[in-house]
Amino acid sequence: DGGITQSPKYLFRKEGQNVTLSCEQNLNHDAMYWYRQDPGQGLRLIYYSQIVNDFQKGDIAEGYSVSREKKESFPLTVTSAQKNPTAFYLCASSGQVGNTIYFGEGSWLTVV
Amino acid sequence: EDKVVQSPLSLVVHEGDTVTLNCSYEVTNFRSLLWYKQEKKAPTFLFMLTSSGIEKKSGRLSSILDKKELFSILNITATQTGDSAVYLCAVCGIIQGAQKLVFGQGTRLTINP
Repeated sequence: DGGITQSPKYLFRKEGQNVTLSCEQNLNHDAMYWYRQDPGQGLRLIYYSQIVNDFQKGDIAEGYSVSREKKESFPLTVTSAQKNPTAFYLCASSGQVGNTIYFGEGSWLTVV
Repeated sequence: EDKVVQSPLSLVVHEGDTVTLNCSYEVTNFRSLLWYKQEKKAPTFLFMLTSSGIEKKSGRLSSILDKKELFSILNITATQTGDSAVYLCAVCGIIQGAQKLVFGQGTRLTINP
């Protein structure tokens, strides 16, 4: 089945550790996105990528890094510089410009 | 700065009521406006609107866009408890050839039996 796979679903980390969230899609979509959602809040854009080897900062990129070495994959690293990393992280992708954007199931990150 | 504002932030009604959710926006190079429903996990797609004045309808849900006033509404008629969710409005703009999707803060809708 085509879709977007995020892993892990739940992740616990100690403060000061970097953590990488995986996002893989087999929809042949060009664009991929990472969003963060805090309880009771909307989605805020972290990074987005329109093509391989290119990505742009979203509204809250500080403390995060991404790579786009393959069309199917857009991993997000939450670094120790991110002050409040505990949140729900959503990966999304879309095809041609203007097309609907689809989401993965999300990853819950808790930093203790 | 690109911005999407939803209202109300929270709404509690009784089953059978009709509700209207609002979304206003400012975005660079507007392409489309999307509505999503979010229950426990990832948002699920409801509608995509690109043209003013054309209503999109799916069962008891409908939505319309006003590109002049930079506004959209989502209507739900004869609400059911299963409609309880957070409804997210998102606007797609194009910046330097890249598609960017900006979300509002969401409206939390609760339908009481």
